[in-house]
Amino acid sequence: DGGITQSPKYLFRKEGQNVTLSCEQNLNHDAMYWYRQDPGQGLRLIYYSQIVNDFQKGDIAEGYSVSREKKESFPLTVTSAQKNPTAFYLCASSEGRGPGEQYFGPGTRLTVT
Amino acid sequence: GENVEQHPSTLSVQEGDSAVIKCTYSDSASNYFPWYKQELGKGPQLIIDIRSNVGEKKDQRIAVTLNKTAKHFSLHITETQPEDSAVYFCAATAPHTGGFKTIFGAGTRLFVKA
Repeated sequence: DGGITQSPKYLFRKEGQNVTLSCEQNLNHDAMYWYRQDPGQGLRLIYYSQIVNDFQKGDIAEGYSVSREKKESFPLTVTSAQKNPTAFYLCASSEGRGPGEQYFGPGTRLTVT
Repeated sequence: GENVEQHPSTLSVQEGDSAVIKCTYSDSASNYFPWYKQELGKGPQLIIDIRSNVGEKKDQRIAVTLNKTAKHFSLHITETQPEDSAVYFCAATAPHTGGFKTIFGAGTRLFVKA
């Protein structure tokens, strides 16, 4: 089965700790994205990557970091510098050869206390 | 910055009625307009999309219209069913540094009452 996976589904951390969210796809897609979703709001872009070893900041990149060492993987690290890290995080991928459908993972709900 | 406005935020209809969700976008370079459906606890899924060279597209009970001059696009669901209840997001995609960037509306929570 082809798809995009995120793990874990729920994640709890103490304030001041960095945490890394996993995102893997086996769709052979070039482009990958990280979004943050807060209640009553749309999806806001954190980072995106159109190709391996390259990524761009989105609208709310502060306090987050990413890497794209492999085509299949695009992990997101939420650092202690992110002031309001509690949110639902969605990873997505697309073919990347132009604007088109994004395939979303099931999301990770991060709670920081 | 660029944005996408979506209305209404909540919509309640009787089963069998039609539902209409409207969006406006600000970036005139936008050329791809997808609509996503998100069920509780899941990631969004594409239900229909339209490109800037087309004014209307239909897929069974779902249709989307695009007015590039006014920067408006709308989702129409006919003969609604309880399983249509979900949150719907419009989005607009435009060329951006390193590729393309998609901006999402805030979402519409649709309730279909049986």
